Amino acid sequence: QVQLQESGPGLVKPSQTLSLTCTVSGGSISSGGYYWSWIRQHPGKGLEWIGYISYSGSTYYNPSLKSRVTISVDTSKNQFSLKLSSVTAADTAMFYCARDGTGTMDWGQGTLVTVSS
Amino acid sequence: EIVLTQSPGTLSLSPGERATLSCRASQSVRSSYLAWYQQKPGQAPRLLIYGASSRATGIPDRFSGSGSGTDFTLTISRLEPEDFAVYYCQQYGSSPVTFGQGTRLEIK
Repeated sequence: QVQLQESGPGLVKPSQTLSLTCTVSGGSISSGGYYWSWIRQHPGKGLEWIGYISYSGSTYYNPSLKSRVTISVDTSKNQFSLKLSSVTAADTAMFYCARDGTGTMDWGQGTLVTVSS
Repeated sequence: EIVLTQSPGTLSLSPGERATLSCRASQSVRSSYLAWYQQKPGQAPRLLIYGASSRATGIPDRFSGSGSGTDFTLTISRLEPEDFAVYYCQQYGSSPVTFGQGTRLEIK
């Protein structure tokens, strides 16, 4: 069973860059056949797909966030990461990392990131 | 972008009853790449159905999915107390991946 765990600051100042890392255990990112995703959920709201990356580094981003998002992968550490630049209060959300294959099969527990000065 | 519209917004039913949740897409979902998720308060979503009708590992057979093209349905045949939650549909056949706004299933 693949497990995912998000880590990173819970508080980010406006205009700064939000950075999160997802550590994968119980399976290798390099094994192929999956995409590694970031999804967010604003408080009390629905789910928003941010983007995903393959083990080889191919990325796909939500056009609504594309200008501010970078997803990268470090196969040596079995991790992938999210950077979201120029954040505002509207970016306050629960951020989930996940594994995608036939649907979003496995999810991390989520990490709440608050944007505030 | 494919917009998914779920109905109803809230569904009030009693344990033992049958629940029918709808997800309508603004354009055809490629290869029925449609999934359903359950989310309980304070938890991450859990995959229930993928490929419109295939149950994910460990999902009880009271959950079933159907549909194709633009109209999809999640059916829970006999509601158990633990089934009361929010349900989301998702299409993953076209980029960007999109989710419906959710249906809240509450105890009547």
